[in-house]
Amino acid sequence: DTGVSQDPRHKITKRGQNVTFRCDPISEHNRLYWYRQTLGQGPEFLTYFQNEAQLEKSRLLSDRFSAERPKGSFSTLEIQRTEQGDSAMYLCASSTRQAPHYGYTFGSGTRLTVV
Amino acid sequence: AQSVTQPDIHITVSEGASLELRCNYSYGATPYLFWYVQSPGQGLQLLLKYFSGDTLVQGIKGFEAEFKRSQSSFNLRKPSVHWSDAAEYFCAVGEYGNKLVFGAGTILRVKS
Repeated sequence: DTGVSQDPRHKITKRGQNVTFRCDPISEHNRLYWYRQTLGQGPEFLTYFQNEAQLEKSRLLSDRFSAERPKGSFSTLEIQRTEQGDSAMYLCASSTRQAPHYGYTFGSGTRLTVV
Repeated sequence: AQSVTQPDIHITVSEGASLELRCNYSYGATPYLFWYVQSPGQGLQLLLKYFSGDTLVQGIKGFEAEFKRSQSSFNLRKPSVHWSDAAEYFCAVGEYGNKLVFGAGTILRVKS
C-alpha cells in the first residue's frame, strides 16, 4: 500500500491553457474524491466516483472541469481554458466502503498556478 | 446547509503546554465528525473521527476530541504540545453522499 499518489505535484500554466491531473488511489479503494483547496481555506468538495461511476458533482465544478475514472482505478481531472481563479491545490482522496465511516486517505495534492 | 466553523485562525502555544482547538458545526442529523492535520505543501492526515458511542474520542499522536451535541462542538485537545505538532488543523463534518465539509482551518504555532 503506497497511499494515494497525485501527479504532478506542481503545475504552472498560462491562462487559457488546458491542464490534466492524475490521481492513483489505494488499490482496494473503490471510492475516489476530488477536492480543491485555496489559500487560507479548507478543502472544498468537487466530485466523487464509486468505481467508474461519477456519483456527484459540486456546483463548483464548472463546465470547464471534467473528471474521469475510466476503469475504476486511477482518475484524471482536466481543466480547460484555465483562469487565474483556478489557482489552488487540488486534492485527491480515496476510501473503502462508505465514507465518512472510515475516513479518507488523501494524496499530497497538485498545486496549480495559473499565470 | 452543513457547515463547520473554526473560530481561531491562528493559535500559538508554548511547547509542553496544553492545546484546545475549537470546532462548531451545523448539521441536520447525527454528524460524522473528523479532525485532519496538514503540514505545509502536504495532503491531509486523519487524526481522529467520531460516529457514535463514547463522546470522547482518542486519535493518533496523543490527540483527543470531545463531541458535545448540546453545544454542536467537537473540540480537539492535546495535554502537552510538541514542536512537531505545528501545522494546520481542519475539522470536518460528514454529509449525505459521503462528501465532507471542512472548516477553514486553524494554524498552530509552537513556541520553544
